[in-house]
Amino acid sequence: NAGVTQTPKFRVLKTGQSMTLLCAQDMNHEYMYWYRQDPGMGLRLIHYSVGEGTTAKGEVPDGYNVSRLKKQNFLLGLESAAPSQTSVYFCASSNGHLAGQETQYFGPGTRLLVL
Amino acid sequence: EDKVVQSPLSLVVHEGDTVTLNCSYEVTNFRSLLWYKQEKKAPTFLFMLTSSGIEKKSGRLSSILDKKELFSILNITATQTGDSAVYLCAGLTQGGSEKLVFGKGTKLTVNP
Repeated sequence: NAGVTQTPKFRVLKTGQSMTLLCAQDMNHEYMYWYRQDPGMGLRLIHYSVGEGTTAKGEVPDGYNVSRLKKQNFLLGLESAAPSQTSVYFCASSNGHLAGQETQYFGPGTRLLVL
Repeated sequence: EDKVVQSPLSLVVHEGDTVTLNCSYEVTNFRSLLWYKQEKKAPTFLFMLTSSGIEKKSGRLSSILDKKELFSILNITATQTGDSAVYLCAGLTQGGSEKLVFGKGTKLTVNP
């Protein structure tokens, strides 16, 4: 079991460029989440999905889009990157719909630098 | 607005000391309180607390939840340099999304 994996590990973008971050999990989890982590801010939820084909906004969704076409994958898109999106992005997954299985498991993170 | 506050934000101790990390929360549709340890990379799960007053233990780490006063503590006894990390506390909401609301973390440094 690889758990939760993220690609790429690190990326540098210029302002206005677009990119997609990929999250994959092999635990057959229903729920998936995207967070960003900035110094002194903790982890903040960007978007989440409670099942294949569904997505919803989290705390800081502006400037991002997501898709969950397959249960095991959750994609985070930046259409026009801005320096304010420089951050470390974490993906997580869980079986939150099942009592006692709400623990979220995190991927290793993607470090994004927008110049 | 949901809020999780951790204190202290930073703590420096010597090996062998005992530390207590604090977490208070105001989370609507609260279900559970989770603790994570974050070293260089991904947060790793430590505890999930759902019932008040029941201590959970794992080696030198223990944690307890008080749902009346809306707080939790994480204790680490006989600290080691390997305990140096950021400890994150998060409130879990219920109601179809099971979202986590994170605090800013406590950075623990254990010196030899």
